[in-house]
Order: sequence, then C-alpha cells, then structure tokens
Amino acid sequence: SQTIHQWPATLVQPVGSPLSLECTVEGTSNPNLYWYRQAAGRGLQLLFYSVGIGQISSEVPQNLSASRPQDRQFILSSKKLLLSDSGFYLCAWSVGLTSYGYTFGSGTRLTVV
Amino acid sequence: DQQVKQNSPSLSVQEGRISILNCDYTNSMFDYFLWYKKYPAEGPTFLISISSIKDKNEDGRFTVFLNKSAKHLSLHIVPSQPGDSAVYFCAASAVSNYQLIWGAGTKLIIKP
Repeated sequence: SQTIHQWPATLVQPVGSPLSLECTVEGTSNPNLYWYRQAAGRGLQLLFYSVGIGQISSEVPQNLSASRPQDRQFILSSKKLLLSDSGFYLCAWSVGLTSYGYTFGSGTRLTVV
Repeated sequence: DQQVKQNSPSLSVQEGRISILNCDYTNSMFDYFLWYKKYPAEGPTFLISISSIKDKNEDGRFTVFLNKSAKHLSLHIVPSQPGDSAVYFCAASAVSNYQLIWGAGTKLIIKP
C-alpha cells in the first residue's frame, strides 16, 4: 500500500534561519508531488508541484523553494525564513488524477519567531 | 479568480440533525468534485467524490449532490455526529489538469 511520510511534525525556527522539510512517498512510482500551506484560519494554498524528478513548478512567488532529488522525495526549503512563513505545511501525492484526488501527509506546523 | 467557492466560513449544527455544506464553482470544464475533511494539525483526508456525469453519490451518512446547471454542489451529513466537527474542503479537477482547485473551507461545529 502507498504511504506518505512528512517530517518534522512541528518546528520552531528564528527569523532568518534556513528551512528544510522533507516528504517521501512509498509504494508508488512516478507520483505527482505537491507542497501546500495552510495559514492560520485560511484555506489551502498550493506552493509547488512536481510531475517528475527535477521538475518543479511554482505557483506562488515567495521566500521558499522546492526540489525533487529522487522520484519519491520532495523537499521544501528556505534560505532565510520570514515571520510570514509561519503556517501548516502539507505534502501530498497523486498518480494521474483520479476521483480520489490527493493523499496528504500529516503536516508540519512551522512557527517562525 | 476563485474557481471554487465555499461562501460559509463556518456552520453550527445540532448533533443528530442534518449538516449541509455548500460549494459553488465557475469552470464548466471540471469533471470531478471532491470533499475532504480536515482536523486541526492533521492533513486533509478524502471523504467522497462525484463525477460530473452524475448528480448524486452516497456513502453511508455522506451524500454529495451536484447541480451542473447551477454550478453548485453540496455535501449532506445525516445524522451529524460530534466526530464530524472539522473543516470541510470542496475541490474540483479537470481531466486536462492534474491539479485540484480548492475552496477556502467551511468549519463545521456539531453541538451536543
């Protein structure tokens, strides 16, 4: 069966520090991978998506970047965090587009202080 | 340009009664509509979906209705239970695009 792992679950980082969040998928090949953010009291904002190794599309220009060094690994990074980067970050995967949509990871709560 | 809209940020319903969550869309090319449920500090989980060629899909206590002429869908939960308290997201997809387009979510509160 397919599983998605996302870590860490919570993270408190000072302003100006770097960020690296990792997401891995098991049990499937060549998944579409996504990074979402949910700011406090708001909906889901698509940040990046990838349809293959090394292929990254950015939806919202900002202080973050994403990389896909392996087929089932997706990394969200920042060189210098801003206070506005605080939020709940979610990784998700899909294979093609089915009526079941995406499967999400458990999320990372990032607080920038 | 919000292609998928959930106009009610929150909804409060008595336990045992029916909960009705609404969603409107603008893009007639959408061919699948999905509902996700999200608890705090967790990822959204898939709840139920409906193809654009249908007008109703039922799964236990959950029923989704699609009115294509009005570009409107709704999720009915009956009877509502305390564990149903969560944020519900409506999402839509088009076969030509592997991305889901999300509504802003509706927070459902089930009162005992």
